[in-house]
Amino acid sequence: AQRVTQPEKLLSVFKGAPVELKCNYSYSGSPELFWYVQYSRQRLQLLLRHISRESIKGFTADLNKGETSFHLKKPFAQEEDSAMYYCALSGYGYGQNFVFGPGTRLSVLP
Amino acid sequence: EAGVVQSPRYKIIEKKQPVAFWCNPISGHNTLYWYRQNLGQGPELLIRYENEEAVDDSQLPKDRFSAERLKGVDSTLKIQPAELGDSAVYLCASSGAGPSYEQYFGPGTRLTVT
Repeated sequence: AQRVTQPEKLLSVFKGAPVELKCNYSYSGSPELFWYVQYSRQRLQLLLRHISRESIKGFTADLNKGETSFHLKKPFAQEEDSAMYYCALSGYGYGQNFVFGPGTRLSVLP
Repeated sequence: EAGVVQSPRYKIIEKKQPVAFWCNPISGHNTLYWYRQNLGQGPELLIRYENEEAVDDSQLPKDRFSAERLKGVDSTLKIQPAELGDSAVYLCASSGAGPSYEQYFGPGTRLTVT
């Protein structure tokens, strides 16, 4: 069964410090991985997906199939990055399931 | 573009009462999802539609939950009868075609069962 784990419920960093939000997954095939974000009083929205290899708002994430990880990183955190971050996984193709991790709340302190 | 529309935004009911949630996806999106999000947890997929077909309802408690997506557009999720443990936020999302595509979420319906 596919599963996503995020070991940290809460991560606090100071402004300007590097950030790494951890995500590990279990999946038998080749997964597609996503990071979704929910800012205060806003809807859940896509931050980035591994297949696009983009850097969004300074965040990047690399899929490591050997370690089954998809950690989210940003070199210099900003206060506006404070939000809930969810790692998510999907298989490819019609009928594949989609599963979210439990989420990590990032708090960037001034 | 209004995005995904959900109603009602809030609902308070007594246990054993029925409740229904409505979702209107983004125009042209074939895939529609219903999630339940308990406090402090990630969204849990209840059911996914590809057009009118429910392709993944493995997590839907079928003894009390039902869903429909007539004509492949709007969708309704129903709980009958509601239990205390059903208190949660119910999210609707839509995407272009399947879960590999970006999902656009609605604002959610916060259900409180007393």
